Amino acid sequence: NAGVTQTPKFQVLKTGQSMTLQCAQDMNHEYMSWYRQDPGMGLRLIHYSVGAGITDQGEVPNGYNVSRSTTEDFPLRLLSAAPSQTSVYFCASSSSGTDTQYFGPGTRLTVL
Amino acid sequence: GEDVEQSLFLSVREGDSSVINCTYTDSSSTYLYWYKQEPGAGLQLLTYIFSNMDMKQDQRLTVLLNKKDKHLSLRIADTQTGDSAIYFCAESIDYGGSQGNLIFGKGTKLSVKP
Repeated sequence: NAGVTQTPKFQVLKTGQSMTLQCAQDMNHEYMSWYRQDPGMGLRLIHYSVGAGITDQGEVPNGYNVSRSTTEDFPLRLLSAAPSQTSVYFCASSSSGTDTQYFGPGTRLTVL
Repeated sequence: GEDVEQSLFLSVREGDSSVINCTYTDSSSTYLYWYKQEPGAGLQLLTYIFSNMDMKQDQRLTVLLNKKDKHLSLRIADTQTGDSAIYFCAESIDYGGSQGNLIFGKGTKLSVKP
């Protein structure tokens, strides 16, 4: 199993640009989530999904959209990038009924 | 709201034991976790403990849970230079009806001196 994969590893955007961060898992996990990691702030939950077709907001959802059309994929969309969205983004997944989350390697995003 | 607190830095000598402490606020957390993050890398699940346990041991790692004080600790025996990393404590929370979400501490940077 590849586990949780994320692409790209690095990305630089200009303010106002849009892009999609990709996340995929091959463990047939129902639960997937997106976190952002900022210095001195730890990890904060952006959006999560408890299964295909179901998504919900986390602690810091503004400026981000998600969709879950398949069990495997959970893309995160930045609609109009802002410098405040410069961060490292982690995707995670876990099987339904347990709370053990497995994290992807992260995407380092810089917004100029 | 929910909060997870941990000290930001810990420095130990190679071969000594390291103890990283964490306090949390949500008494209904089902699981408590320790994650390790090496520079430029993602989060690696080190170990976790179910909330009805007091202790869990896994090779060099010992997790102690004091549910009354909402205190969690991670002890690393015979600390090696390869253990240098940031260690995150996390608690599972019931967010929107799902226990799958985690609240993280800010991380403890462990430095191991040879």
